[in-house]
Amino acid sequence: DTGVSQNPRHKITKRGQNVTFRCDPISEHNRLYWYRQTLGQGPEFLTYFQNEAQLEKSRLLSDRFSAERPKGSFSTLEIQRTEQGDSAMYLCASGEAVDGTEAFFGQGTRLTVV
Amino acid sequence: AQSVTQLDSQVPVFEEAPVELRCNYSSSVSVYLFWYVQYPNQGLQLLLKYLSGSTLVESINGFEAEFNKSQTSFHLRKPSVHISDTAEYFCAVRRQGGKLIFGQGTELSVKP
Repeated sequence: DTGVSQNPRHKITKRGQNVTFRCDPISEHNRLYWYRQTLGQGPEFLTYFQNEAQLEKSRLLSDRFSAERPKGSFSTLEIQRTEQGDSAMYLCASGEAVDGTEAFFGQGTRLTVV
Repeated sequence: AQSVTQLDSQVPVFEEAPVELRCNYSSSVSVYLFWYVQYPNQGLQLLLKYLSGSTLVESINGFEAEFNKSQTSFHLRKPSVHISDTAEYFCAVRRQGGKLIFGQGTELSVKP
């Protein structure tokens, strides 16, 4: 297994366009997390799944953001009607639901909204 | 609600000097504690973690962190840093069954 894979690595989009990112977790992991990281800040929690169920969604996440994990494997994060404030690094992580286990992070997708 | 505070946003040190990166957390329940490291243009990597047992945990590259329940702290230390330790360090907490919550990060800059 090559770890958590995120695509694309970079995305430049015009304001108002929709974008979709993909995350492929480590295969045996049932937990999948999405975080957002802006310059000089720590990763900010967005949402997480256990298998295909979305267990929690941050209150900071507007209704323009939606995430899915349809078969409990890969996940997609879609941002509709992008705004300049959406520019950030979007991180995906996977892990096990067992208490005390860590999350393994992908390289991230850097979104720039122009 | 849980929160994590990293008290220093930037820590410049000279090579071979000791360093301490401070982390405090707030939680009303037992938590698991982690330190992640992010090298330039790379993803986050786990450095070390505290689950239970001995309050002092160590990483393979010479870092250690001590869990202090009374002070709700999990400070990261290294007795002698190298240039290659230059990176951003993030403290994180996770309660049972929950998600990771990160601090704001501390940029460690090691100068020759």
